Amino acid sequence: DGGITQSPKYLFRKEGQNVTLSCEQNLNHDAMYWYRQDPGQGLRLIYYSQIVNDFQKGDIAEGYSVSREKKESFPLTVTSAQKNPTAFYLCASSLRPSYGYTFGSGTRLTVV
Amino acid sequence: GESVGLHLPTLSVQEGDNSIINCAYSNSASDYFIWYKQESGKGPQFIIDIRSNMDKRQGQRVTVLLNKTVKHLSLQIAATQPGDSAVYFCAESPTSGTYKYIFGTGTRLKVLA
Repeated sequence: DGGITQSPKYLFRKEGQNVTLSCEQNLNHDAMYWYRQDPGQGLRLIYYSQIVNDFQKGDIAEGYSVSREKKESFPLTVTSAQKNPTAFYLCASSLRPSYGYTFGSGTRLTVV
Repeated sequence: GESVGLHLPTLSVQEGDNSIINCAYSNSASDYFIWYKQESGKGPQFIIDIRSNMDKRQGQRVTVLLNKTVKHLSLQIAATQPGDSAVYFCAESPTSGTYKYIFGTGTRLKVLA
C-alpha cells in the first residue's frame, strides 16, 4: 500500500546535539512538507519542497535544515540552534497544488 | 498519548447523536478547505474537502458546510460513534496553486457511551 512513513516514532535529544527525522513516501507525490505541532496551536510549516533538489523555508525554519535528494525522501535535521525543539513533528506530501495532504504518523522529539 | 490536544476546546456528544464542529477561517481569498481528524499519537487523516464554489458537500456520515459570507466552515458527523473521538481541525488554502495551508487549532470530540 502507498503511504508516507516517518521514523523514529519517539526521539530523544541531548542539549547541543543535532538529530535527523526521516520521512519517506511511495505515493509518487511531488511536494513534501514538514510541520511542527505544539499543544493548543495549529500546525506550523517548517520547510517544504515542490521538486527534487529544491526546498523553501516555511514560517519557522530557524534551527532546522532539510534536503531533497530523492523524490521519495525529505529528511529534517533539528540542529542545536533550535532552542525549543520539543514538539510533535509531522511530515506530509501532496500530489500537486490545491490537493490535500497525506500525513505521516509523526515523530515525538523530546530534549533531555 | 500525544499532548497536542491539551488546551483545545472540547465537544462532548452522546453516542448516536449528531456532532457539529465549527471553524472560522482567516482569509476571504481562500478557495479550498479540508477537515482532518487526528487521533492521539497519530498523524492527521483527511476526512472531507470543499472548494469555494460550493456551500455543501457530503461524504459518508460527514457533511461540510461553507459560509463564505462569514468565513465559517463546519463539519457535521451523523450518528457519532466511539471511533469518532479525536481532535478535528480545518485547513484553508489561501491561494490557488500554492502548497501552503493554514491550519486551525482544532476541537477535541469526546463521544460518551
